[in-house]
Amino acid sequence: SQQGEEDPQALSIQEGENATMNCSYKTSINNLQWYRQNSGRGLVHLILIRSNEREKHSGRLRVTLDTSKKSSSLLITASRAADTASYFCATDTITGANSKLTFGKGITLSVRP
Amino acid sequence: DAGVTQSPTHLIKTRGQQVTLRCSPKSGHDTVSWYQQALGQGPQFIFQYYEEEERQRGNFPDRFSGHQFPNYSSELNVNALLLGDSALYLCASSLAVLRTGELFFGEGSRLTVL
Repeated sequence: SQQGEEDPQALSIQEGENATMNCSYKTSINNLQWYRQNSGRGLVHLILIRSNEREKHSGRLRVTLDTSKKSSSLLITASRAADTASYFCATDTITGANSKLTFGKGITLSVRP
Repeated sequence: DAGVTQSPTHLIKTRGQQVTLRCSPKSGHDTVSWYQQALGQGPQFIFQYYEEEERQRGNFPDRFSGHQFPNYSSELNVNALLLGDSALYLCASSLAVLRTGELFFGEGSRLTVL
C-alpha cells in the first residue's frame, strides 16, 4: 500500500524556475526521504529529514516537514534541464525491527531548456 | 567503491515460468531490500534480508521468495510467473546499525512476462 502521496502528479517548468513538490502521508514516521529516478533507472537518494526536524537544506534542495499536518515539501531552486526526472517521497515508519521505506507514486518533473 | 549491482538487467519469461534475480549490495552494507516497481508507479516493498534471514515482508504472495548469502548478496525468486509480475525489480542496500538511513539502489532488473 502507498503511504505517501505526492502532489502534483506532473510538473513542467522553465529552466531557472523553482520547482515545489509536496508529499502527504498517513502514519507516524521516523523520517521522510526524497529520491529521484531518471527514466527506467535506479533511485538516487536526495535528502532525509527526521521527524524532529522542520527544515533541511542540501545544495539547491530544501525540504520541509510538518508532522502535525503529516506533509512534506521539496523545493528545487534554479532548476536545470538535468533535473528532469521522477521524484518520490518515502516514509520510514516506526517499527520494532529494521526500518523499511514506503514510497509514493511519484511526481514527474520536466524542466524545459 | 562498487555500488549496488543487479543482474540480469533485462529478461523475458512466459507465464508459469520461474525467475531468479541477483543483487550485490554496496561495499560495507549488510541489509538488502527488494522492491517491485510497476510502470508509472512507485516502488513497492517486497521483503528485506539481514543476517541471512527475512526480516520484514510486504504484501506479496509466497510465490516471491528470497535468500541472502554470507557475503550479503541476495537473490529474489518468483515462481509461477503471472503477466502482472512484469515490472522493474529494484534491490537496495543499507547498513543495519544505522536503522533509519538512506537506501542505495541498483539500476534494477526489468522483467517482462509474456
